[in-house]
Amino acid sequence: EIVLTQSPGTLSLSPGERATLSCRASQSFRSKYLAWSQQKPGQAPRLLIYSASSRATGIPDRFSGSGSGTDFTLTISRLEPEDFAVYYCHQYDNSPPNTFGQGTRLEIK
Amino acid sequence: QVQLQESGPTLVKPSGTMSLTCAVSGASINSNDLWPWVRQSPGKGLEWIGEIDRSGTTTYNPSLESRVTISVDQSRNQFSLRLSSVTAADTAVYYCARKSYNWNYAYDYWGQGTLVTVSS
Repeated sequence: EIVLTQSPGTLSLSPGERATLSCRASQSFRSKYLAWSQQKPGQAPRLLIYSASSRATGIPDRFSGSGSGTDFTLTISRLEPEDFAVYYCHQYDNSPPNTFGQGTRLEIK
Repeated sequence: QVQLQESGPTLVKPSGTMSLTCAVSGASINSNDLWPWVRQSPGKGLEWIGEIDRSGTTTYNPSLESRVTISVDQSRNQFSLRLSSVTAADTAVYYCARKSYNWNYAYDYWGQGTLVTVSS
């Protein structure tokens, strides 16, 4: 089973700042099966990035993804108030099972 | 617009079996997509339960495999989850979703989720 470890657990930033979220895997896998999702309280996750670096439909270009192998990054270039949420990376290459990171909480400083 | 909607009992007794159904609209179950179930315990992260394809081929999380059954009903364009021998640890929000073949099986649509509580 691939374990995904996200860091930091909590990130405190102000609107307008840049956010960098990390996702590290316990073993290498194909980046085409790595995604990032955003979850707000009481809502289902929303797909932001798939195949490590492709934005999903309707996702603003301030969101970008990069990485390969075992190290992946989600970057939000300039934070908007609506971006404060929990972010999950997940992989579905080495399966079963699909696995999710434990999440990074992005909070307003 | 693709929509997924979970339904089923929200309170289940310990040692019982929970059953949920996911109705899909705006897309066909009879496609190359995959149809997973994911759960989230209160205040916790996401856990993949398993998934099914249009032919009924299933893949389950090894940690739950002995208790899980996922099935598909193409005539109703829906798929279902059964989890047996439930305990309080199975209390969670259960989501159905779609993994899109066109997007390398990314989870592109999710249901709103339904909270299932295991309690006597």
